[in-house]
Amino acid sequence: AQKITQTQPGMFVQEKEAVTLDCTYDTSDPSYGLFWYKQPSSGEMIFLIYQGSYDQQNATEGRYSLNFQKARKSANLVISASQLGDSAMYFCAMREGGGGNKLTFGTGTQLKVEL
Amino acid sequence: ETGVTQTPRHLVMGMTNKKSLKCEQHLGHNAMYWYKQSAKKPLELMFVYSLEERVENNSVPSRFSPECPNSSHLFLHLHTLQPEDSALYLCASSQVVAGNINSPLHFGNGTRLTVT
Repeated sequence: AQKITQTQPGMFVQEKEAVTLDCTYDTSDPSYGLFWYKQPSSGEMIFLIYQGSYDQQNATEGRYSLNFQKARKSANLVISASQLGDSAMYFCAMREGGGGNKLTFGTGTQLKVEL
Repeated sequence: ETGVTQTPRHLVMGMTNKKSLKCEQHLGHNAMYWYKQSAKKPLELMFVYSLEERVENNSVPSRFSPECPNSSHLFLHLHTLQPEDSALYLCASSQVVAGNINSPLHFGNGTRLTVT
């Protein structure tokens, strides 16, 4: 079974609008962390934001925020005021407390920001 | 500029060649990783080195051979590859602290490998 599911292969958003990228996860470990990465066409994976399973508040980092709904096992990324430079692949990933150092990734969502 | 440097950026090799991918991290991290990224598939973890000791090997074929001579350098030696091994190979590093799961991986730009 997939541990990380991203159901949106592609998304479009108009410049200056907000967009939500979906991520659901599956784990029985009570301790886990969720990460979002951005991958432009250049190939580098850029870390955006982190949410811990015990964090009481949703994580925010500039224009990025994480809509963390623990009971639903979802960790959606919200990008506010989209910019053309936000066009990229976005990956959700999880590290389980009992899973060693590794991150497990979803299949990604291709976001295109339009004028 | 990324704190993780990968060379070469692009590599084309025949199935009988031997080549190596190099990764260097300038972040003082104690763990390094190799991931494979193929089209329309999740990133696949290949190897993890923590404190220069291999701690994970995800059933990777023996034609891929990692080497970690110190905490800053990681190599992936390639020999007799197959066309399906063509992919983007990403190196990453992180600081591992026991009981702490919040440290992100920092990635390099990757090596785009084409096997002909």
